[in-house]
Amino acid sequence: NAGVMQNPRHLVRRRGQEARLRCSPMKGHSHVYWYRQLPEEGLKFMVYLQKENIIDESGMPKERFSAEFPKEGPSILRIQQVVRGDSAAYFCASSPPRGFLPDTQYFGPGTRLTVL
Amino acid sequence: QQQVKQSPQSLIVQKGGISIINCAYENTAFDYFPWYQQFPGKGPALLIAIRPDVSEKKEGRFTISFNKSAKQFSLHIMDSQPGDSATYFCAASIRSGAGSYQLTFGKGTKLSVIP
Repeated sequence: NAGVMQNPRHLVRRRGQEARLRCSPMKGHSHVYWYRQLPEEGLKFMVYLQKENIIDESGMPKERFSAEFPKEGPSILRIQQVVRGDSAAYFCASSPPRGFLPDTQYFGPGTRLTVL
Repeated sequence: QQQVKQSPQSLIVQKGGISIINCAYENTAFDYFPWYQQFPGKGPALLIAIRPDVSEKKEGRFTISFNKSAKQFSLHIMDSQPGDSATYFCAASIRSGAGSYQLTFGKGTKLSVIP
């Protein structure tokens, strides 16, 4: 049973470029969370999605960041016009459907974004 | 207040000893308290979790103690091993008005278990 998959594992971008991070949840999971981890810090919630719906984006920066979870394919976190401060590890977590311990979250290996 | 405060920041324990990490929270509406273990370059792995209707939960060498009145919970690692050396994060969640169970994390404790 494959766990949460994220790719790429490492991503290097120059300032002003776009970064696209992908996340495939665990089999049977239909809810995805994105978190950001700065060096020596805990994880910070960014956005929560279900298939085709953004449910809670209260942790997303107002500009340059967007997320989607289409009916088919992985969830994507998109960062436009990246700046050095975007350098961080971005983690995706998935959780089971409602009625099956919905607050339990399983994390992927993360994408480490470096902005030059 | 959505903060979760974790201590200590780093911890060195001898092999076979007990590692204790503490967390405190402000929001009494939190109703799920997991602990995650993270190795360098990896994602956090769910270790053990507790809900506020119990005061203690044990899984193998790992125990969570929960004090609802003090708004504190702690992780105890018995018979600590060098392989336990990792960063440990406490977290808390509550179902938000928007329907998400976003986790609020502590800043982490870097545990080193020395032979």
